[in-house]
Amino acid sequence: DAGVIQSPRHEVTEMGQEVTLRCKPISGHNSLFWYRQTMMRGLELLIYFNNNVPIDDSGMPEDRFSAKMPNASFSTLKIQPSEPRDSAVYFCASSLFGGVSYNEQFFGPGTRLTVL
Amino acid sequence: KQEVTQIPAALSVPEGENLVLNCSFTDSAIYNLQWFRQDPGKGLTSLLLIQSSQREQTSGRLNASLDKSSGRSTLYIAASQPGDSATYLCAVGTSGSRLTFGEGTQLTVNP
Repeated sequence: DAGVIQSPRHEVTEMGQEVTLRCKPISGHNSLFWYRQTMMRGLELLIYFNNNVPIDDSGMPEDRFSAKMPNASFSTLKIQPSEPRDSAVYFCASSLFGGVSYNEQFFGPGTRLTVL
Repeated sequence: KQEVTQIPAALSVPEGENLVLNCSFTDSAIYNLQWFRQDPGKGLTSLLLIQSSQREQTSGRLNASLDKSSGRSTLYIAASQPGDSATYLCAVGTSGSRLTFGEGTQLTVNP
C-alpha cells in the first residue's frame, strides 16, 4: 500500500488566494483526519470524517476553512481566502475505526503551506 | 479538556544508552495511546499503539507502557542509535477517534 497520499507537498500563495489541499487515505480505511502543525500550537485536529461524513469540525479555525470527502478515497481541505497566519504544515491521516477498538492513525507526508 | 504533557522537551544521549521518554495526560478516560516519531520536515510515523485495556506494547528496541489510573505512559528505547534521533510524540485517543498530542520530546543520539 502506498500509504496516505497528499498533494501538493509544498504550496506558496499570496494572501487572498484560494488554496486546496488534497488527500487520498489508505484503501479500506473509514476514518480521515485533517491536522495542522505550527511551532506555536503544535499539532491540532481540524476536522475528521467517519464513512465520508464529517463528525467533528470544532477544530476548524474559521469559516474560511472548509473540508469535503465526496467518496471513500478522496478528501479536500480548502482555505478561501488565505491569510499569512494560515502558513503551517497540514497533515492528513486515516485509520480503520471499528466499534470498541480504535486503531492506529497513519499520517501522510504533509503539505507545507506558505501564504505571503 | 484532555491535556498531554511530554517530559523532557529535549534529550541528548550518547549512542548505546537506554532511555525513557515520559508522557502524562489529565483525563484517564482514554481509548488508546499512540507514540509517533517525526523526522525534521517529515510526516509522523506510528511506532506503537496501546489500547486502553493493555499495559504495554513492544516493537524491536521500543517498549511503551500505559498506566491509565495515574495518567502516564513511557516509551523505553533500548541501545539507542544515531538513527533514533527525531522528535517523539505521544497522542492520546479519546471518544470519536480524536487524538490529542503532546508537544514532543526532541531526541538526539550522539555517535
